[in-house]
Amino acid sequence: DAMVIQNPRYQVTQFGKPVTLSCSQTLNHNVMYWYQQKSSQAPKLLFHYYDKDFNNEADTPDNFQSRRPNTSFCFLDIRSPGLGDAAMYLCATSRDWSDTQYFGPGTRLTVL
Amino acid sequence: KNEVEQSPQNLTAQEGEFITINCSYSVGISALHWLQQHPGGGIVSLFMLSSGKKKHGRLIATINIQEKHSSLHITASHPRDSAVYICAVHNFGNEKLTFGTGTRLTIIP
Repeated sequence: DAMVIQNPRYQVTQFGKPVTLSCSQTLNHNVMYWYQQKSSQAPKLLFHYYDKDFNNEADTPDNFQSRRPNTSFCFLDIRSPGLGDAAMYLCATSRDWSDTQYFGPGTRLTVL
Repeated sequence: KNEVEQSPQNLTAQEGEFITINCSYSVGISALHWLQQHPGGGIVSLFMLSSGKKKHGRLIATINIQEKHSSLHITASHPRDSAVYICAVHNFGNEKLTFGTGTRLTIIP
């Protein structure tokens, strides 16, 4: 009965080769978030959606894009991964702002 | 910008000990979250608090709004409690979480 599912759990890509990470939820939550977490650091918010309304953080590089085709799914596209993009990518959902966020297990991205 | 600080940064204790992790923040908030992250794993939300105290099993979370301080307590600690515990706050009128630096807890059998 997984609630927030991320695929794949581990992704290896080559420098500059586009990659897409996916997140799906069974909670029917309005809000979906993408975070980047590097080793021993706090998660850093990249974007979030309230329903279809997209909110991009000011310091999120243009290299990162996101899509939410429906309530259940959200994708993170990294157009040209650099070595500095190697990290754990966490998807989270919440019913509304300031509600409990439910996190997926994360996708660990390695860039060679 | 809300500054969220946790202490201690690292904590090692023997199995069975009572554990306290502290979180303080600088600006008034609408809610505070305690999160748990196991090594290499995703994040689990333990509590969301806006006042008072909550208890779930061996975990207790308290918050003092006036003092801008929250504590997470673990009773009868167990090696499976070993994880990073993160405090995060929602500021008024801001939908984003501000995260603390995390406390790495290690429980030795």
